[in-house]
Amino acid sequence: AQTVTQSQPEMSVQEAETVTLSCTYDTSESDYYLFWYKQPPSRQMILVIRQEAYKQQNATENRFSVNFQKAAKSFSLKISDSQLGDAAMYFCAYRTVEYGNKLVFGAGTILRVKS
Amino acid sequence: EAEVAQSPRYKITEKSQAVAFWCDPISGHATLYWYRQILGQGPELLVQFQDESVVDDSQLPKDRFSAERLKGVDSTLKIQPAELGDSAMYLCASSLDGTPLIGELFFGEGSRLTVL
Repeated sequence: AQTVTQSQPEMSVQEAETVTLSCTYDTSESDYYLFWYKQPPSRQMILVIRQEAYKQQNATENRFSVNFQKAAKSFSLKISDSQLGDAAMYFCAYRTVEYGNKLVFGAGTILRVKS
Repeated sequence: EAEVAQSPRYKITEKSQAVAFWCDPISGHATLYWYRQILGQGPELLVQFQDESVVDDSQLPKDRFSAERLKGVDSTLKIQPAELGDSAMYLCASSLDGTPLIGELFFGEGSRLTVL
């Protein structure tokens, strides 16, 4: 079974600075999808960014970018120019391309943004 | 903007009582998911529906939990009897297609259950 590990329970960043959240995963499959989801306090979870494993180019979405290292099974999230609204729990998640396969989440990293 | 609707937002119950949660996915989304999220942990899939059929319920404690999606639209998750360890947030999500080619799950705000 696939597993997702987020080794940083909590991170802090100064407003306008850059922070990187780590994620590693374990799989024997060659094709899959990786996601970062954001869960603000008392708000619903929303997708931040996604990466298809067959694509070598790292995904970017405005201030959010990933460093995808397929051989190392690593998928880190970089947040540039951090804003107070970035404060949330961030989850790394894995999904295979097989039909019906579930989305597996890591334990999450709490990100605190200091003003 | 279309959203996944869940109710109730909060539920407090005593152990051994029955509880039920309701979810209305985004219109047109064939796949519906129920996740359980214990405080401080990542969500764990309980059950996944494709239309009205169960695709995955391997982590659903079937002795006390049940889920249905009779007409392939809204869904109900039931717990009977509730136990102290069931205290958690129950998240519903939906996606346009069962395959990850679309990939994105849209989540509701969740139903927080407290069992006393």
